[in-house]
Amino acid sequence: EPEVTQTPSHQVTQMGQEVILRCVPISNHLYFYWYRQILGQKVEFLVSFYNNEISEKSEIFDDQFSVERPDGSNFTLKIRSTKLEDSAMYFCASNPAGVGGYEQYFGPGTRLTVT
Amino acid sequence: GENVEQHPSTLSVQEGDSAVIKCTYSDSASNYFPWYKQELGKRPQLIIDIRSNVGEKKDQRIAVTLNKTAKHFSLHITETQPEDSAVYFCYSWGKLQFGAGTQVVVTP
Repeated sequence: EPEVTQTPSHQVTQMGQEVILRCVPISNHLYFYWYRQILGQKVEFLVSFYNNEISEKSEIFDDQFSVERPDGSNFTLKIRSTKLEDSAMYFCASNPAGVGGYEQYFGPGTRLTVT
Repeated sequence: GENVEQHPSTLSVQEGDSAVIKCTYSDSASNYFPWYKQELGKRPQLIIDIRSNVGEKKDQRIAVTLNKTAKHFSLHITETQPEDSAVYFCYSWGKLQFGAGTQVVVTP
């Protein structure tokens, strides 16, 4: 069964550094998402992406964040200048288009630690 | 304020008993209502979902009920087992928002 994959599984970075989190959505899916989950808290929506552009974003997704689909398979989340409060688990998700396309398939997550 | 409210935040049940978690949403346009289970350190996993044209859906020991008039949907787990211990999240598709989560602990 196809799965969403994410790399790296764990990223440690210093405050102020840029990080890029990578995701490979399921190949025939057209909608892509990033969520984050601070330890012990709920999963929070960051951004959705469709047809090579952002379709929705939350208040969390400020100018420090950007997303890109640089080729036909990868979907990336960039944080330009990381802050301590960016430490969290970041999940990528995808779902297919169409009437039955609601179910989101989640990747295993990237744990980001900002020191 | 929150667009989806989930209760309770924690739920302890004896093995074999039932568990019920409820979510209330505000977006009238929502028409898809999933429930996710998340084990410690793992990704959220879809366990059951329901669309707005039905009122109840069941899959073995798990069921979801939907009341569109009252704007709430509930997860029901019957004959709970220790492996049901996890955090459960509802999701509001209209706002792309998870509920706050319910920590379910099933004690043998």
